[in-house]
Amino acid sequence: KAGVTQTPRYLIKTRGQQVTLSCSPISGHRSVSWYQQTPGQGLQFLFEYFSETQRNKGNFPGRFSGRQFSNSRSEMNVSTLELGDSALYLCASSLDPRREGEQFFGPGTRLTVL
Amino acid sequence: AQSVAQPEDQVNVAEGNPLTVKCTYSVSGNPYLFWYVQYPNRGLQFLLKYITGDNLVKGSYGFEAEFNKSQTSFHLKKPSALVSDSALYFCAVRDTAYKYIFGTGTRLKVLA
Repeated sequence: KAGVTQTPRYLIKTRGQQVTLSCSPISGHRSVSWYQQTPGQGLQFLFEYFSETQRNKGNFPGRFSGRQFSNSRSEMNVSTLELGDSALYLCASSLDPRREGEQFFGPGTRLTVL
Repeated sequence: AQSVAQPEDQVNVAEGNPLTVKCTYSVSGNPYLFWYVQYPNRGLQFLLKYITGDNLVKGSYGFEAEFNKSQTSFHLKKPSALVSDSALYFCAVRDTAYKYIFGTGTRLKVLA
């Protein structure tokens, strides 16, 4: 089975721009979660989508949004980028984390905001 | 507030020696606890989980973790460390709202 894929792997943007990141989960997985990873902060939960519905949300400003398509692929959008948004953005998929628990992570998209 | 703490930013251990990476948690109700490992330029890989049952959980690559309810700890252990175990390790707990809370990570360095 193919693993979780994320595109692009690297992005460089400037302040004020917007960015869209993409995540393709493992085939058959209906849940996709997004995390922001920064040094010293660990992983911060952004949101979870399950069957095209946002099921859970972390404590991030409204500039961070996401969506999930009928094929379970998910996108994350960040508008009006700030320097502090520079991070590794990780996507994780699972059948349903409310049952099985473990998540399968993609390699991440490294976003640099200049 | 529900939280996870990994008190050590880095752990150094000699190859062949036992290793322990510490994790404590604070969560309401029965905890779902996890360990993940991250190698450079890679996403996180699942190692093991505790939901219920035996306090000693065995996982991938020879790792195990001990759940201690009274000390609210879930330390990761391995009897004999390998240089290839050098990586960043994350402890995580699922809170009552089904959100996953991760620790800040512990960098394990196994010295040859």
